[in-house]
Amino acid sequence: GDSVTQMEGPVTLSEEAFLTINCTYTATGYPSLFWYVQYPGEGLQLLLKATKADDKGSNKGFEATYRKETTSFHLEKGSVQVSDSAVYFCALSVANTGNQFYFGTGTSLTVIP
Amino acid sequence: EAQVTQNPRYLITVTGKKLTVTCSQNMNHEYMSWYRQDPGLGLRQIYYSMNVEVTDKGDVPEGYKVSRKEKRNFPLILESPSPNQTSLYFCASSLYGVRETQYFGPGTRLLVL
Repeated sequence: GDSVTQMEGPVTLSEEAFLTINCTYTATGYPSLFWYVQYPGEGLQLLLKATKADDKGSNKGFEATYRKETTSFHLEKGSVQVSDSAVYFCALSVANTGNQFYFGTGTSLTVIP
Repeated sequence: EAQVTQNPRYLITVTGKKLTVTCSQNMNHEYMSWYRQDPGLGLRQIYYSMNVEVTDKGDVPEGYKVSRKEKRNFPLILESPSPNQTSLYFCASSLYGVRETQYFGPGTRLLVL
């Protein structure tokens, strides 16, 4: 079935460090891929998305490229800030085989000054 | 303001006492969905709805019911809650379906004693 596997956390980084959170997927069709972010005490909000192979999603300095050959959608940011501390979820949906949404387990990021 | 609202935000109940968590969106979205979030498991989809009177099971539908009588509302019903339904619940909506951005409510924290 369809699923997402993402890097276990928690991750702790110093401000201005480089961030990578790995995400790989299994899908029966042609998935759309997403990164959602959850700040403390809040609901999730979309960070970025990509709907076809080789697409790059980007937002707020974060980037992720949809790699079909490696079934991956790794999240990267060149220089993290304290305000990036949150839980990050990789997710996928496959519209042509149903209308379900699958989330990874989440990766908690703490950025220290 | 465009938003998804959930009520109540916090609920403590006892095993077997029926409860309803309401969800409402003001964006005229067709797709609505319920998720539960548990530590180490990420978010898992309970039910979703493509439009009025159209609902489908997600990954973890057991013990839950939903209805979609109006486009804006998508209540989650626990007919006989059990302690294993203690969780954080999120409602979400998107314009047409799973390829698009989902907008999440603030969450409902449920404790079943």
